[in-house]
Amino acid sequence: KQEVTQIPAALSVPEGENLVLNCSFTDSAIYNLQWFRQDPGKGLTSLLLIQSSQREQTSGRLNASLDKSSGRSTLYIAASQPGDSATYLCAVTQGGSEKLVFGKGTKLTVNP
Amino acid sequence: DTAVSQTPKYLVTQMGNDKSIKCEQNLGHDTMYWYKQDSKKFLKIMFSYNNKELIINETVPNRFSPKSPDKAHLNLHINSLELGDSAVYFCASSQEAIISPLHFGNGTRLTVT
Repeated sequence: KQEVTQIPAALSVPEGENLVLNCSFTDSAIYNLQWFRQDPGKGLTSLLLIQSSQREQTSGRLNASLDKSSGRSTLYIAASQPGDSATYLCAVTQGGSEKLVFGKGTKLTVNP
Repeated sequence: DTAVSQTPKYLVTQMGNDKSIKCEQNLGHDTMYWYKQDSKKFLKIMFSYNNKELIINETVPNRFSPKSPDKAHLNLHINSLELGDSAVYFCASSQEAIISPLHFGNGTRLTVT
């Protein structure tokens, strides 16, 4: 059974700092990995999607990497801003199905 | 224009009642989903439909019945509501299952008293 773990559960940083969020998964048979952002009382916004054959994806100040063999992904946020404060969730699409399995998220607070 | 819209945003009801949550997407996507986010913020898939056909039914009590009248709509009907059904329910869609990112609605917070 696929399990997705995100560490840390919460992170507080000063504005301008570069930071890394971690995601690990137990079964490397995945189709892809997605990073989402969730703001309080809102739905999820897809940030980056990495297919299983890819190593990384970049969008603006965000860079996500994928090491499928070791079951790990990182989301790198450069020059963090208070507007980046949100919960970041990692999810993998399980091989052999279309199910997206989520981690519990990392709550990020960027202090001005 | 909201891409994936759910109604209502909040739903408060008593145990034993029957309620429905509606979802519509205007993205032209083929696949739609229902997810449940519990009090610990853990998101878990309930159902997925592709072009009105049920693809995933994730061991959900049969009190929950999804209905897809067309590929732009996926509604969720819940019979005989229980306290444990209290959660936030999210609708989502994707162009192509597996390879496309998901687009989520803003959620429906269901409270059963």
